Amino acid sequence: GQNIDQPTEMTATEGAIVQINCTYQTSGFNGLFWYQQHAGEAPTFLSYNVLDGLEEKGRFSSFLSRSKGYSYLLLKELQMKDSASYLCAVMDSNYQLIWGAGTKLIIKP
Amino acid sequence: DGGITQSPKYLFRKEGQNVTLSCEQNLNHDAMYWYRQDPGQGLRLIYYSQIVNDFQKGDIAEGYSVSREKKESFPLTVTSAQKNPTAFYLCASNPLAGGLDEQFFGPGTRLTVL
Repeated sequence: GQNIDQPTEMTATEGAIVQINCTYQTSGFNGLFWYQQHAGEAPTFLSYNVLDGLEEKGRFSSFLSRSKGYSYLLLKELQMKDSASYLCAVMDSNYQLIWGAGTKLIIKP
Repeated sequence: DGGITQSPKYLFRKEGQNVTLSCEQNLNHDAMYWYRQDPGQGLRLIYYSQIVNDFQKGDIAEGYSVSREKKESFPLTVTSAQKNPTAFYLCASNPLAGGLDEQFFGPGTRLTVL
């Protein structure tokens, strides 16, 4: 079967750095997406990785290792508004997105 | 402003009633999707459509129906056959069917069946 694993919840301090991990086992791979979702709202796109390595976009970076079936999202200089759920999704061989359950990130002052 | 709209934001229905959730996009996207989100679970695909007048079942299509008569619109009907319909429903689109672009989401409809 297809599976995406992420930690259920993480807590970090304002101004700090946090790394959210995602491991996957899917039928084929056409890229990995990270989305941010505030409670009760729509997910919004953060990043897309299809090749191994690190993609940096401002305070957010995303890393992919296809051989290990592993990705992480790195958030720097955390702000209170970063409190949200972070969703990892893999596009499989049928170009369908397989979603993880999401990681709820709690930022404390 | 281009985007996806879903209405209503909150919907309450009695058990045994069918209900239709609206999804409209003005992004000129070919592909549209319906997902269901439950606490502690990832988004699960209900139905998707890659072109007008065509749609395919996702992983949890039982108890749901859709139509795609216009490119802009992809309504979802939750029928009385759906055993546990209370959930957060999200509509999404992307430019090309089978493309590698990100999906754009509407604001969601929270359905509560009493």
